[in-house]
Amino acid sequence: QQPVQSPQAVILREGEDAVINCSSSKALYSVHWYRQKHGEAPVFLMILLKGGEQKGHEKISASFNEKKQQSSLYLTASQLSYSGTYFCGTVYAGNMLTFGGGTRLMVKP
Amino acid sequence: NAGVTQTPKFRILKIGQSMTLQCTQDMNHNYMYWYRQDPGMGLKLIYYSVGAGITDKGEVPNGYNVSRSTTEDFPLRLELAAPSQTSVYFCASSYSGPRLYEQYFGPGTRLTVT
Repeated sequence: QQPVQSPQAVILREGEDAVINCSSSKALYSVHWYRQKHGEAPVFLMILLKGGEQKGHEKISASFNEKKQQSSLYLTASQLSYSGTYFCGTVYAGNMLTFGGGTRLMVKP
Repeated sequence: NAGVTQTPKFRILKIGQSMTLQCTQDMNHNYMYWYRQDPGMGLKLIYYSVGAGITDKGEVPNGYNVSRSTTEDFPLRLELAAPSQTSVYFCASSYSGPRLYEQYFGPGTRLTVT
């Protein structure tokens, strides 16, 4: 079952913060986050495991709330290079990765 | 390392034609995947492989076939192309299963069926 991402789109000014959410109706084993720029392939950002800690990558971090079966991606002090579409991918026990519909992020100067 | 490579980059097919999309990885990854991405949408898993000689269906396998005779190669075959197969196709690989390991994507093949 496909995870639900919110918001579907967000527009920021450089330096502003954003949060992207990914929710599942089923118990998750892990959550992946990828970023895809227009016309390019998705690029891996981070993976969060059940029972694992919050991960971080420079000014991009994420958390995994097992009780809510939800993950959130935090973009701090956004840069122009953060523009793109962000996808979460969820993994249920024994299954393959299922991607959400994506969140389009545009950072303006 | 080249990572994951795909050929061709673009292709236009007529309805009813067949073709093979090529995918090669040089990272010695066990798992390989084929996804399709329709405009403005997320990625849908078509087929995957956990090792040479082992393949399994994903979410949207109808109209496609795969084989995996080597660790490096995972071609996707389209038989009797239909307009609904117009999409961007991505091949990906990972060291092991997605529970723990990230996926590396190839640059994609943009296919149009008319």
